[in-house]
Formats: sequence, C-alpha cells, structure tokens
Amino acid sequence: QKEVEQNSGPLSVPEGAIASLNCTYSDRGSQSFFWYRQYSGKSPELIMFIYSNGDKEDGRFTAQLNKASQYVSLLIRDSQPSDSATYLCAVSGGGADGLTFGKGTHLIIQP
Amino acid sequence: DAMVIQNPRYQVTQFGKPVTLSCSQTLNHNVMYWYQQKSSQAPKLLFHYYDKDFNNEADTPDNFQSRRPNTSFCFLDIRSPGLGDAAMYLCATSRPPNEQFFGPGTRLTVL
Repeated sequence: QKEVEQNSGPLSVPEGAIASLNCTYSDRGSQSFFWYRQYSGKSPELIMFIYSNGDKEDGRFTAQLNKASQYVSLLIRDSQPSDSATYLCAVSGGGADGLTFGKGTHLIIQP
Repeated sequence: DAMVIQNPRYQVTQFGKPVTLSCSQTLNHNVMYWYQQKSSQAPKLLFHYYDKDFNNEADTPDNFQSRRPNTSFCFLDIRSPGLGDAAMYLCATSRPPNEQFFGPGTRLTVL
C-alpha cells in the first residue's frame, strides 16, 4: 500500500524566515511529486511539482526530490503570514494515476 | 477563466437518502477524479475517468458510484449516505503529465 508521511506540525516559523517542509513516500515506483497548499475549509491548490532528482525553484518556493532516499521537501523563502496553511505532499505513479496524499503539515507564520 | 466547478458547495442530506454531487470543467482535460477528504485527513481517491474509461479504487465502497456523460461533466452518486460519509468531496482534472487541479469542493453533511 502506498504511503506518504508528513510531520503534522504545527510548524511555527517567524515572518521572513525560511520554512522547510518534508515528506517521505513508500512506493519506489512513484514518478511524480506534488506540493499543495490548503487553507482551512478550502480545496487544495497546486504550488509545485517535481519529477526529477534535484531542486526546482519557482519564485519563493523550492521543491527538492531525492528518489534514492524517497524524500521530497518544500522550502518557502521570505515566509509571509499568508503562507500559513496546511501543506499537502502528494505522489503519483505517473500517467493518469490518482494522487496519494500525506496528511499534511500545518504551517504557521508568526508576524 | 478555465476552471473546475462543483455544485452544490454545501449539501445536507438525511441518512440513507441518495445524493448526487456535480462537477464540470472548462479545461477540456481528459481525466477527472473524485476524492473524499474527511476532517483533518488526507484527500483519498475514490475513482477516476480517463475519457469514458472508469477506474475504481479497490477500497471504494459500493455505495459510491460515478457517471461521466461527456468530457465536461462528472457526477458522484452516493446511494445510501451514512454518517461516516460526511466529508468534503473534491473533484479534480489533470493535464499531462498529471498536474491535478481541484474544484472548490462540496461539503456533505449527513443528518
């Protein structure tokens, strides 16, 4: 059974600092990796996706993938109070497969 | 704007009374998904359609059915809702290579 593990938090980070979110997954056949942001009562919003080992940067966000260690991370630079949300890590076997989500990390940015 | 639309946003039903949730998309994506998200839990894939091909997850209860009459619309039918089916139901579509975009969700309450 595919599993995605995340620390549920809460993770508290001062405004302007770097927030680091981590995720591990069990299925070595996973091909695609995603980070979603979910505000309370809202649906998940896609922030980043990554398919290859290494780093991928998009604005203040950097996703990191290490397939050998089965580890995915998300860095948020210059954290803002509006970044306070639950961050869901999701993995997929590729193609049109559905996503397997972790339970999410609750991030709090302290002004 | 191209988007994923879900109706209704809030649905209240009685125990055992059938209910249908609707999803439509203007993105013209081939694949549509239904996820169930209970409070403080990860979204869980129920099933998905690749064009007209239906793909059911092994652990999705028989109580849940789906229809996709055309590319734009997909429906989730819950034949006999139980108290345990109260959740947010999320519809998503994907574009290659499997970036998934979620609608706003329908929150289902079962009385």
